[in-house]
Amino acid sequence: AQSVTQPDIHITVSEGASLELRCNYSYGATPYLFWYVQSPGQGLQLLLKYFSGDTLVQGIKGFEAEFKRSQSSFNLRKPSVHWSDAAEYFCAVDNNNDMRFGAGTRLTVKP
Amino acid sequence: EAGVAQSPRYKIIEKRQSVAFWCNPISGHATLYWYQQILGQGPKLLIQFQNNGVVDDSQLPKDRFSAERLKGVDSTLKIQPAKLEDSAVYLCASSFPRAASYEQYFGPGTRLTVT
Repeated sequence: AQSVTQPDIHITVSEGASLELRCNYSYGATPYLFWYVQSPGQGLQLLLKYFSGDTLVQGIKGFEAEFKRSQSSFNLRKPSVHWSDAAEYFCAVDNNNDMRFGAGTRLTVKP
Repeated sequence: EAGVAQSPRYKIIEKRQSVAFWCNPISGHATLYWYQQILGQGPKLLIQFQNNGVVDDSQLPKDRFSAERLKGVDSTLKIQPAKLEDSAVYLCASSFPRAASYEQYFGPGTRLTVT
């Protein structure tokens, strides 16, 4: 069955530390890949997306993600986390206009 | 530009009652989506409109949920009658054409609590 997996429900990092959020998908072909962020009481905001080409994509707020076909992964990274990055992060895939979201990873940032 | 508007922001109802949510997409966006986000889960697509026509409603529980998009602009999502398991945040999103290459813009959502 087609699925999107975010293995980490909750991650805590110190401010200034690096961050990596994991995302794996299972689809027959390479779908379109997205990362969204959701702050409390807010809608989802697109951080970045991958359709084709360079497997390392840059997004807003200093985030980047790398698509690895061999691992069916699309992990989100940030070299130095800020306190304002505390939020819920969702990986999503669009396979033939069928958008599916992962369950999300909640990020806590320690001062 | 104005974002996707949704109302109400919060709603508390008793089971078996009915409820309706309203969404106003970004001007000019032809595609409109309704998602259900249960606590601790990612959003799940309920229905997708292209202009005023339904493109995909395969995950909409049609025995109790209905949605319409008259005139291809505003949309309403209705639940009748509500069940406890309908407690969730209902998100509306819109995009320019119906294609993954175009970003979906999300509204703030309506948080529904069914008691």
